[in-house]
Amino acid sequence: QKEVEQDPGPLSVPEGAIVSLNCTYSNSAFQYFMWYRQYSRKGPELLMYTYSSGNKEDGRFTAQVDKSSKYISLFIRDSQPSDSATYLCAMQNYGGSQGNLIFGKGTKLSVKP
Amino acid sequence: DAGITQSPRHKVTETGTPVTLRCHQTENHRYMYWYRQDPGHGLRLIHYSYGVKDTDKGEVSDGYSVSRSKTEDFLLTLESATSSQTSVYFCAIMKGAIGELFFGEGSRLTVL
Repeated sequence: QKEVEQDPGPLSVPEGAIVSLNCTYSNSAFQYFMWYRQYSRKGPELLMYTYSSGNKEDGRFTAQVDKSSKYISLFIRDSQPSDSATYLCAMQNYGGSQGNLIFGKGTKLSVKP
Repeated sequence: DAGITQSPRHKVTETGTPVTLRCHQTENHRYMYWYRQDPGHGLRLIHYSYGVKDTDKGEVSDGYSVSRSKTEDFLLTLESATSSQTSVYFCAIMKGAIGELFFGEGSRLTVL
């Protein structure tokens, strides 16, 4: 079993839709949870950062962490064509090696005007 | 702008030749990383550095070496390139908390 599982999509939605992106993981030691956005032929950029469980909101984006279910989500409200990108989840355990950031394979999202 | 520059951005080379990719940062951060990204595999860590001359291996380090003689530069070397090393290589720096990585624009390497 992979440490981090992420549905690769592609996911296509109409403009204005609510998008839900998800990752599951197996390592209960993970404490730090990130979402990165990657536009085509660009480097990933950090979108959301969450420590431990709970919700975090930033504009149209909400990140949720459910450690009991080992499940994290990213919600995008009022999706825009500019949100079309690949979204990568990432996670790391507290006290682990600074190189031990594990990425999901990414979900490709397309928002149609 | 994350203050990271990768060079070259594109390179085509032949099997068996040495290749060096350079990552340069302007902000004096301690941690620097090299990842490769391939379809179906996502981002995988090759090597990382936690200071000048301090480096460690990642998940896919075989066939790669790194060096960091100055804080601002982290070099990735393929001693003898193989076709399986055709990939997009990303350098990253850790600016703040654990997991907060900022990536360069990538170096696209093709080994024929």
